[in-house]
Amino acid sequence: DAGVTQSPTHLIKTRGQQVTLRCSPKSGHDTVSWYQQALGQGPQFIFQYYEEEERQRGNFPDRFSGHQFPNYSSELNVNALLLGDSALYLCASSFGTDSSYEQYFGPGTRLTVT
Amino acid sequence: AQSVAQPEDQVNVAEGNPLTVKCTYSVSGNPYLFWYVQYPNRGLQFLLKYITGDNLVKGSYGFEAEFNKSQTSFHLKKPSALVSDSALYFCAVRDPYNAGNMLTFGGGTRLMVKP
Repeated sequence: DAGVTQSPTHLIKTRGQQVTLRCSPKSGHDTVSWYQQALGQGPQFIFQYYEEEERQRGNFPDRFSGHQFPNYSSELNVNALLLGDSALYLCASSFGTDSSYEQYFGPGTRLTVT
Repeated sequence: AQSVAQPEDQVNVAEGNPLTVKCTYSVSGNPYLFWYVQYPNRGLQFLLKYITGDNLVKGSYGFEAEFNKSQTSFHLKKPSALVSDSALYFCAVRDPYNAGNMLTFGGGTRLMVKP
């Protein structure tokens, strides 16, 4: 049973550039959430996608955008990168939007902005 | 707004001794509570959750957690620690009255188990 996969593993970008991160959910899951984990901190919720629509959004600027495809995979896009965007970006999947279900996390993408 | 506090940045325990990692929460209604563990260069692994029912919840790898509504706490426990339990532990809360299933995490507690 394939778990949550993310690509790439690591990424180095320059300030002002744009980046796209990718996520494939665990088999049978249809909901994808993205989190940002800065060094030494807990993950912070960015947004959630279900049925190809953004359903919930955390306190992140609109430089952060996303997309969900018909096969439930998802992309996170960040425009006009800032040094403060350097972090581990985690994708989590679950079944539906019932909040009692646990989310399963991928290994993350480590983004470094220089 | 929902929030989680993990008051200890690090917990040190000897192998074979019991361990406790503390978590307190704030949420408007009855909370859904979760514990996750993170090993170096890895994503978060689900350990256990409290949704409703028995206040003592049992999870993976011998871990358990006790929900205490009056103290708004959800402490993680294990009767006998292993060196392999050394990792970063995160408590998370979800408000079931909000649409979607956004998790709010605490800052994490590093558990160090020494032989």
